[in-house]
Amino acid sequence: QAVVTQEPSLTVSPGGTVTLTCGSSTGAVTSGHYPYWFQQKPGQAPRTLIYDTSNKHSWTPARFSGSLLGGKAALTLSGAQPEDEAEYYCLLSYSGARQVFGGGTKLTVL
Amino acid sequence: EVQLVESGGGLVKPGGSLRLSCAASGFTFSSYSMNWVRQAPGKGLEWVSSISSSSSYIYYADSVKGRFTISRDNAKNSLYLQMNSLRAEDTAVYYCASPVYDYWGQGTLVTVSS
Repeated sequence: QAVVTQEPSLTVSPGGTVTLTCGSSTGAVTSGHYPYWFQQKPGQAPRTLIYDTSNKHSWTPARFSGSLLGGKAALTLSGAQPEDEAEYYCLLSYSGARQVFGGGTKLTVL
Repeated sequence: EVQLVESGGGLVKPGGSLRLSCAASGFTFSSYSMNWVRQAPGKGLEWVSSISSSSSYIYYADSVKGRFTISRDNAKNSLYLQMNSLRAEDTAVYYCASPVYDYWGQGTLVTVSS
């Protein structure tokens, strides 16, 4: 089974910009992996921010954007707010409709 | 308003069985595939299983294949997860989620312990 890798933790200053990445043990991440990005705060269910690489839901703050970068999926947060402190997970789809989550990135806004 | 409400969690002994349910409302359940995702205490998310709208296509994570069975009853707008041969490592909050993960339930806790 594929392994999806994320940075375990990142820190960003309020108002700053940070990029979280999502890599695959099978090679480069492409749009064919339909990358998702989720935000999860303690005690809450996950909330989808980005689907299919770069698409946003109506509730996704404009400061979040998704892309492919250097063979990985990327989530960029521009203008970090204190409320963005959370765990972020990516999800990739593989052949046979199997899906694999990354281990998560704990984002600290400090 | 879309709602997904899981139920059926609880404490079960290793080797035991449990059936989770997810009641869906606010959308045309029969038209969409559905997912189960779990999260062990203090750990990350793990995709468990998916089922297509007509149950024609079913997929499982390797960690549960052969032990868990996903099913649905479109007449009852309900999704199920039959969990057999449960192990300590199956202890987790189990979420049902819509096909593109735009909606999640609140989760139901399954604890496997003697």
